[in-house]
Amino acid sequence: DAKTTQPNSMESNEEEPVHLPCNHSTISGTDYIHWYRQLPSQGPEYVIHGLTSNVNNRMASLAIAEDRKSSTLILHRATLRDAAVYYCILRPNAYSGAGSYQLTFGKGTKLSVIP
Amino acid sequence: AAGVIQSPRHLIKEKRETATLKCYPIPRHDTVYWYQQGPGQDPQFLISFYEKMQSDKGSIPDRFSAQQFSDYHSELNMSSLELGDSALYFCASSFGGTPALSGANVLTFGAGSRLTVL
Repeated sequence: DAKTTQPNSMESNEEEPVHLPCNHSTISGTDYIHWYRQLPSQGPEYVIHGLTSNVNNRMASLAIAEDRKSSTLILHRATLRDAAVYYCILRPNAYSGAGSYQLTFGKGTKLSVIP
Repeated sequence: AAGVIQSPRHLIKEKRETATLKCYPIPRHDTVYWYQQGPGQDPQFLISFYEKMQSDKGSIPDRFSAQQFSDYHSELNMSSLELGDSALYFCASSFGGTPALSGANVLTFGAGSRLTVL
C-alpha cells in the first residue's frame, strides 16, 4: 500500500488559516487522497477527498500537487473545535469488485488550536 | 440524517469472557468495516464486509469473528478476552458503488464501543 508522511503535530492560532501537509511520493495513478480527522474520544470523521484537482467543501480545501506526490489540507479559519488528529490516507479503487478497500490510518498530525 | 449506530457504547468484561459488539450501518450502505483503537494508538483495521461477504481482513485475532447479516448490520464477536483487548472499537459503513470509482467512497464512522477487560 502507498504510504503517507505527515508531521506529528502542528499548532495554530484561533481564526488563523492552517495548512496541514502530507507527502505521498509512491501514490499510484488511481489512488484517491482522503483526509479524515478524529476529535478526542470520537470516531474518525471524513473531511475531504480528491484525485487530481483541488477540492473545496464547507469544512476545508484540498490542494493537490501537480505530480500528486503531496497534498495540503487547508482549514481557512481554525476554531477550537478543529483541534484533532488529522489523517491523510490514500485509497485505491477496488477493481476486484469486492466493494471498497479499507482505510489504513497512519500516524496523523495532531493539530492544537491556541485561543 | 441517520448515522452509524453502535451498541453497546460501553462494556466491561472479565478476562476469558466473551463480548459481542453490534453495528447498524447507514441505510443503503452495503459495506461495513471494524476498527480497533487502543489507548494512544491510531485506529487499526480489523475486518470488513461487502454485501454480507468478508471483503478484507486486517489484524483481527483468531479469537475474534464477525459477520454481516441480511439487513446489513454487523456483529463483532470476541472470545477469551485478554487485557490487551481493552480498546475503542469503531464500526464504519460506506456504499461500495462501482469498483472503478470505489476509491472515492467515503466512510462514516460510528461513535464507538469502549470495551474494558478487567
